[in-house]
Amino acid sequence: DAKTTQPPSMDCAEGRAANLPCNHSTISGNEYVYWYRQIHSQGPQYIIHGLKNNETNEMASLIITEDRKSSTLILPHATLRDTAVYYCIVRVAGTASKLTFGTGTRLQVTL
Amino acid sequence: DAGITQSPRHKVTETGTPVTLRCHQTENHRYMYWYRQDPGHGLRLIHYSYGVKDTDKGEVSDGYSVSRSKTEDFLLTLESATSSQTSVYFCAISESSSGGGDIQYFGAGTRLSVL
Repeated sequence: DAKTTQPPSMDCAEGRAANLPCNHSTISGNEYVYWYRQIHSQGPQYIIHGLKNNETNEMASLIITEDRKSSTLILPHATLRDTAVYYCIVRVAGTASKLTFGTGTRLQVTL
Repeated sequence: DAGITQSPRHKVTETGTPVTLRCHQTENHRYMYWYRQDPGHGLRLIHYSYGVKDTDKGEVSDGYSVSRSKTEDFLLTLESATSSQTSVYFCAISESSSGGGDIQYFGAGTRLSVL
C-alpha cells in the first residue's frame, strides 16, 4: 500500500470549512483513497473513499487531483464534534486487505 | 455502527491468565478483523477471518489465537496474557461499497490491561 503524508495538526473555526490535505505521490492505479477519523477513545469511523473521481456524502467531500498524487478531505461546516484525528489511507480495495493507519492529522475545531 | 458489538468493553487481568475477547456482528458479513491500537503504532492487524473456520494471521499475531465457529462471532484469545498485550483492541467488519471497493467498519473497542 502506498504511503501517505499528512500535516500533524490543524485548527479550524466552528462553522467554517475544514480542508485536510493528504499526499500520496506513490499511489497505484488500483488503490483507493480512504478517510477515517477517530474521536478520542472511540473506534475509527469511516468517512469517505474514492478511486479517482471526487466524492461527496453526508459527512464530507473528497477531492482527488487529476494525477491522483494528492487529495483533500473537506468538512463543509465544521463543528466541535468534528475534533478528532483524521487518517488518510491508500489501499487496494479487497476484503482481505488491512487498513494501515499512519499518524494522521489532529483537527481541533474551536469556537 | 454496522451492528458490531465488542465484549467486554474493559478488562483488567493478571499476567499469565487466559483472556477471550468477543466480537459479535448482526449483518452476516463474511470478513472480520481484529486490530490492536497502541500509542506510537497506530492500528495493527492481529488476525482476520474470511469465513466460518477460515482465519489468517496479520502482522502482530504472536501470542494471539482466533476462532470463528459461526458467522456472527469472531473470538480473540490471549492464551497467557502478558503486559505487552495491554492495549485497546478493535474488531472490524468489511462491507462492499456500491461506489467500488469495500469499507471496514469498527466496533467501539475493548480496553485491556494486563497487570
